[in-house]
Amino acid sequence: AAGVIQSPRHLIKEKRETATLKCYPIPRHDTVYWYQQGPGQDPQFLISFYEKMQSDKGSIPDRFSAQQFSDYHSELNMSSLELGDSALYFCASSLGGAISEAFFGQGTRLTVV
Amino acid sequence: QKEVEQDPGPLSVPEGAIVSLNCTYSNSAFQYFMWYRQYSRKGPELLMYTYSSGNKEDGRFTAQVDKSSKYISLFIRDSQPSDSATYLCAMSLFTGGGNKLTFGTGTQLKVEL
Repeated sequence: AAGVIQSPRHLIKEKRETATLKCYPIPRHDTVYWYQQGPGQDPQFLISFYEKMQSDKGSIPDRFSAQQFSDYHSELNMSSLELGDSALYFCASSLGGAISEAFFGQGTRLTVV
Repeated sequence: QKEVEQDPGPLSVPEGAIVSLNCTYSNSAFQYFMWYRQYSRKGPELLMYTYSSGNKEDGRFTAQVDKSSKYISLFIRDSQPSDSATYLCAMSLFTGGGNKLTFGTGTQLKVEL
């Protein structure tokens, strides 16, 4: 069965650079969630989209922005990268905002040097 | 104080043992309770979810929720080395159109031969 696809899987950037992470949800899923997981930490909610509209916002820095496109894929744009942004970034998708049945992608490991 | 508390472990058990993983929470408004399994450097994998007090069984896994005590548990019977992973509890509210999950810090489990 198709799963949530994230790209790239690994990304290395320098401080103050910009990064774009992409998420392709499970087919027919209309809701996307972004999470950040630091080393040894639990995933922290960043932002979510339902039917291409932002539906909830968590601890997302102002330097980050995200959107969901007409084909339901989502992109997380991160600017002025800091060392502390190094983490695993997970995207999850669900149908109809049913967070109880959200499926996660494999994540993008971002390293800021 | 975190909304969801989880013993980080690590927990080491022999193969075939019964494992008990636990979380407590402070927000009585949480409606959905999930357990995720996360292997190293992988995305969280949904194991079970429930929304009512009581037990829910799925193969070797049993999820238990006690809303009056704000306490949830995951029991793993006949544990296998392949169960070695980090187990995350997660909870959410449903307000429609995409909601955040609040995770516990995860319990690292090792099942030894």
